[in-house]
Amino acid sequence: AQKITQTQPGMFVQEKEAVTLDCTYDTSDQSYGLFWYKQPSSGEMIFLIYQGSYDEQNATEGRYSLNFQKARKSANLVISASQLGDSAMYFCAMREMDSSYKLIFGSGTRLLVRP
Amino acid sequence: ETGVTQTPRHLVMGMTNKKSLKCEQHLGHNAMYWYKQSAKKPLELMFVYNFKEQTENNSVPSRFSPECPNSSHLFLHLHTLQPEDSALYLCASSQALSVEQYFGPGTRLTVT
Repeated sequence: AQKITQTQPGMFVQEKEAVTLDCTYDTSDQSYGLFWYKQPSSGEMIFLIYQGSYDEQNATEGRYSLNFQKARKSANLVISASQLGDSAMYFCAMREMDSSYKLIFGSGTRLLVRP
Repeated sequence: ETGVTQTPRHLVMGMTNKKSLKCEQHLGHNAMYWYKQSAKKPLELMFVYNFKEQTENNSVPSRFSPECPNSSHLFLHLHTLQPEDSALYLCASSQALSVEQYFGPGTRLTVT
């Protein structure tokens, strides 16, 4: 079974609007971390936001917030007030602390922001 | 230089060549990683080094040989590669194994 599932291969959003990128995960570990990365066309993976499995509040970093629903095993990324520079691939990733420190990535969602 | 740098940015090599990819991090981190990103496949972890010691080899073929002389530098030595090894190779570093990783811009490798 896939550990990280991103069901949206591509998404469009109008500039200045908010967009939600979906991510579901599968783990039996009690302790794990969830990450979102942005990859522009230049190739570099840019760290955006982190959520620990024991964190009670949803993580926020500027225009990025993580909608963490532990019971549903989902960790959706919300980007508010989209900008043209937000157009990129977005990857959700998980690290299972109990068994391995390996970072497991999803297949990504390509976001295109329309002017 | 700041962050994580990788050289070369692009590399074309024949199947019989030997080449090396270089990664350098200027963040004072203790862990470094090599990832492979192929078209239409999720990012795959290849190797992990923590305090210069290899802690993970994710079943990578022996034609890929990593080297970590110190916590700031990481190399990936390549020899007798196959066309299916063509991919973007990303290096990353982190302060510790359990926290966020910071990536370099990658080396786009083409094996002919």
